[in-house]
Amino acid sequence: NAGVTQTPKFQVLKTGQSMTLQCAQDMNHEYMSWYRQDPGMGLRLIHYSVGAGITDQGEVPNGYNVSRSTTEDFPLRLLSAAPSQTSVYFCASSLRRTTNYGYTFGSGTRLTVV
Amino acid sequence: AQSVTQLDSHVSVSEGTPVLLRCNYSSSYSPSLFWYVQHPNKGLQLLLKYTSAATLVKGINGFEAEFKKSETSFHLTKPSAHMSDAAEYFCVVRPTTGGFKTIFGAGTRLFVKA
Repeated sequence: NAGVTQTPKFQVLKTGQSMTLQCAQDMNHEYMSWYRQDPGMGLRLIHYSVGAGITDQGEVPNGYNVSRSTTEDFPLRLLSAAPSQTSVYFCASSLRRTTNYGYTFGSGTRLTVV
Repeated sequence: AQSVTQLDSHVSVSEGTPVLLRCNYSSSYSPSLFWYVQHPNKGLQLLLKYTSAATLVKGINGFEAEFKKSETSFHLTKPSAHMSDAAEYFCVVRPTTGGFKTIFGAGTRLFVKA
């Protein structure tokens, strides 16, 4: 049981480049989400999904797109990278929509935009 | 409106002494409350959760937390710190109604001295 798998672990981009951060879970979790972690700011929600075909914005969605074509996968796309998107990105999943369930987190992707 | 405040950005204890990490929350609804731990260069791991059952919640690695509604607090404690407890700890609040907006505290970094 792999849990939540994120790839890549590290990435350096030039300003204006695009890329996709991959997230996959094998626990049949209904809810998936993307967070970014910046020093002193905790984790901030970028986008989330409550099931295949359903996504919605979190508190910092600008510059990011997501899709959820399958239950297992929830990729995060940066269309035109900016230095402000330098951060550590975490994918998290939860069994159900309800709040009784905690999250399972991936190990993170450290992104640097130069 | 919801918010969560971790009262200390850094806590330093000696090995074998008690640990107290403080968390206050504000929520318009009855919340679910969580504590997560993040070791360096790792994802977040669920320590424990409160979901309106017993107010004293026991988690992994000897940690526990007490939900005090009158004080709107959910402090994390451990009777005796171990070197392996050195990490960053996040207090998290999720509403039991009204959507899926999860709020992370800014984190408390725990240092354990030998």
